[in-house]
Amino acid sequence: KAGVTQTPRYLIKTRGQQVTLSCSPISGHRSVSWYQQTPGQGLQFLFEYFSETQRNKGNFPGRFSGRQFSNSRSEMNVSTLELGDSALYLCASSLRLPGQAAFFGQGTRLTVV
Amino acid sequence: GQQLNQSPQSMFIQEGEDVSMNCTSSSIFNTWLWYKQDPGEGPVLLIALYKAGELTSNGRLTAQFGITRKDSFLNISASIPSDVGIYFCAGRKSGGGADGLTFGKGTHLIIQP
Repeated sequence: KAGVTQTPRYLIKTRGQQVTLSCSPISGHRSVSWYQQTPGQGLQFLFEYFSETQRNKGNFPGRFSGRQFSNSRSEMNVSTLELGDSALYLCASSLRLPGQAAFFGQGTRLTVV
Repeated sequence: GQQLNQSPQSMFIQEGEDVSMNCTSSSIFNTWLWYKQDPGEGPVLLIALYKAGELTSNGRLTAQFGITRKDSFLNISASIPSDVGIYFCAGRKSGGGADGLTFGKGTHLIIQP
């Protein structure tokens, strides 16, 4: 069974640009969540989707948004990039909500210059 | 955002030694998860705990869900070189407004030859 797939693996963007990251969950999993990982803050919850609906949202500015498609694939978008947005962005999939174990992808390493 | 108190921050041990790490919180969690992360990769799920008092093993790894639901520990017996990495605990509160997974800062395990 294929794991969680995130694309691209690496990305370099300039301040002010926007970026879209993609996540394909494990087949059959309907919940997708996104996390930001930085050395200073650790792993921080961004948002969570289930059946194309955002169920929970972390404490991040509105520049961070996401969506989930009918096939459970998800995208997250960051607009007006700032240097502090440089991080490893991780997607995790779960069979369903709530309280299910989450399986992570390898992440997308975003560098903002 | 809230984070779990994970300790120790790092451990320097000899191969063959047993390892113990724990996570505590002021909040109650309904799910406790333990992950291992290698450099440049996403976290890999080691053990999932869903019930207070639950003790679960996965090979040389054993984890317990604290009775108060505010803590969990992970033990690794007879450590081997491939155990090197960063171990994270994660907790999830009950559904209906839960904020995704809350993570500890990680325990960096270093095995000395």
